[in-house]
Amino acid sequence: GNSVTQMEGPVTLSEEAFLTINCTYTATGYPSLFWYVQYPGEGLQLLLKATKADDKGSNKGFEATYRKETTSFHLEKGSVQVSDSAVYFCALLMNTGFQKLVFGTGTRLLVSP
Amino acid sequence: NAGVTQTPKFQVLKTGQSMTLQCAQDMNHNSMYWYRQDPGMGLRLIYYSASEGTTDKGEVPNGYNVSRLNKREFSLRLESAAPSQTSVYFCASTVGLHNEQFFGPGTRLTVL
Repeated sequence: GNSVTQMEGPVTLSEEAFLTINCTYTATGYPSLFWYVQYPGEGLQLLLKATKADDKGSNKGFEATYRKETTSFHLEKGSVQVSDSAVYFCALLMNTGFQKLVFGTGTRLLVSP
Repeated sequence: NAGVTQTPKFQVLKTGQSMTLQCAQDMNHNSMYWYRQDPGMGLRLIYYSASEGTTDKGEVPNGYNVSRLNKREFSLRLESAAPSQTSVYFCASTVGLHNEQFFGPGTRLTVL
């Protein structure tokens, strides 16, 4: 079946450090890929997405590139802020039949001043 | 627009009690979903409704029922709550082909 694997957290960084959160997927076909963010006490918000191979999604300084050859969609940010502390979820969506998101288990990011 | 709203925000139940979690969206979305979120397990799909008048089981439907009351509203019912249903419940809705899901703020449920 389709699945998403994320690196386990927490990821602890100092402000202005470089961030990478790894995400790989298994899918029969070519899914769309998403990163969602969940701030404390809130629901999930879409952070960025990519719908085909080599697409780069970007938002709020975060980027991720859809790599078909490595089945990956790693999240990166050049300089994190304390306000980026949250849980980040990678997810995939198959584009055939009725579409249901498949989520990874989430990676908690903690950024200290 | 309020987006996706959920009520209540918090609830404590005793084992065997019943309750209904409410969800509404004002974005004219066709599809709606119920998830539960547990530590270390990400989000798991309980039920979904592809369109008004239809509902289908997700990964973990046992112990739950749903009703798609109209296009806006999708409720989740626990008929006889169990401690294993202690979780945070999220409702979501979608509109487009690439299924960007919009989430509600969640309901934190504790079953004693």
